[in-house]
Amino acid sequence: DAGITQSPRHKVTETGTPVTLRCHQTENHRYMYWYRQDPGHGLRLIHYSYGVKDTDKGEVSDGYSVSRSKTEDFLLTLESATSSQTSVYFCAISERGGVGSDTQYFGPGTRLTVL
Amino acid sequence: QKEVEQNSGPLSVPEGAIASLNCTYSDRGSQSFFWYRQYSGKSPELIMFIYSNGDKEDGRFTAQLNKASQYVSLLIRDSQPSDSATYLCAGPDTGFQKLVFGTGTRLLVSP
Repeated sequence: DAGITQSPRHKVTETGTPVTLRCHQTENHRYMYWYRQDPGHGLRLIHYSYGVKDTDKGEVSDGYSVSRSKTEDFLLTLESATSSQTSVYFCAISERGGVGSDTQYFGPGTRLTVL
Repeated sequence: QKEVEQNSGPLSVPEGAIASLNCTYSDRGSQSFFWYRQYSGKSPELIMFIYSNGDKEDGRFTAQLNKASQYVSLLIRDSQPSDSATYLCAGPDTGFQKLVFGTGTRLLVSP
């Protein structure tokens, strides 16, 4: 299994509070991704990173920010959590961003509930 | 952006039957696709990769890519109850920095 951990694994928070989710990898892969998964919507990309300090938006980036100060860590921050951000969040890593047979490996996920 | 579409299901098959899962895509230039399996409450895991036209077999799984018709399929032979999961199809987005995922098809294999 790819060495990817996410913390926390479960979190309950209140509307308006800031929340930071952490993804840590031991594979030294260049690309890292944050997805959210909701019933009926599948996996939706929030932000991704293609190197240290290099990030870009995905299809559902509003209300989220990210940072990557080290190859192994990718942080997702909800500046002011809302109930619509209740979801399961997955981190994924990729060596070459999907070129050829390069795929993405997923972390175990974080279940976030915003009350 | 490329789109990848799947029927959400559920697709119900009896144990021992062949399960056929399909995915259509919008980008005619797409040449590679991935199939992931996701058990309830777990993260997606890669089960098959296929590149260019034709079939690729791995044990009970066969992936088929038909570029002319813009669809990719996954066949599971001798389906087992343990195959019950959601199957996600994905292909590289333009620029090859990220994948585009379908919404997944839920497969139920009954004993």
